Amino acid sequence: SQKIEQNSEALNIQEGKTATLTCNYTNYSPAYLQWYRQDPGRGPVFLLLIRENEKEKRKERLKVTFDTTLKQSLFHITASQPADSATYLCALEGTGGFKTIFGAGTRLFVKA
Amino acid sequence: DVKVTQSSRYLVKRTGEKVFLECVQDMDHENMFWYRQDPGLGLRLIYFSYDVKMKEKGDIPEGYSVSREKKERFSLILESASTNQTSMYLCASSLAGATNEKLFFGSGTQLSVL
Repeated sequence: SQKIEQNSEALNIQEGKTATLTCNYTNYSPAYLQWYRQDPGRGPVFLLLIRENEKEKRKERLKVTFDTTLKQSLFHITASQPADSATYLCALEGTGGFKTIFGAGTRLFVKA
Repeated sequence: DVKVTQSSRYLVKRTGEKVFLECVQDMDHENMFWYRQDPGLGLRLIYFSYDVKMKEKGDIPEGYSVSREKKERFSLILESASTNQTSMYLCASSLAGATNEKLFFGSGTQLSVL
């Protein structure tokens, strides 16, 4: 069955460092992959989308890579700040197109 | 700015009650979705709708129903609430088309069933 895996352990990093989060998937061939940010008690907020024919995408301090051979996406936040502390969700287009399937998310803590 | 509004942030209900969760979007989106989110399980799709009066089952529809009488409003109904339906419920919407390239979420409703 289709499966998305994100590191369930929280990631703790020091302010100014680069945070790297991983999303692995199996039994999928998604046309695109998305990353969302979720703060406690709030709904997810869309950050970036990367298509299967794109290797890398950037938006300000964010960078996403998409390796369809490894079935993996990496999400980087450079020069991280305490305000970046949140849970980051990976999402893929599910079978049939209408469904978006989410990973369980990785919690990021950035210490000042 | 785009907005998806869920009627309640917190709800406490008793087992067996009929529960209505309301969601309204102001973006004229065709597609609307209901997810539930539980620790360690991520978001799971309950139902979705791609047009008024249309609905499709998601991955976990048992114990739920939905209603979409108007384009901007999508309601989730728990016919007889049970304790295992205690969860965070999230409504989302997206533009028309078979693919959802960007979902807009509401702030969520934390439902507790006692």
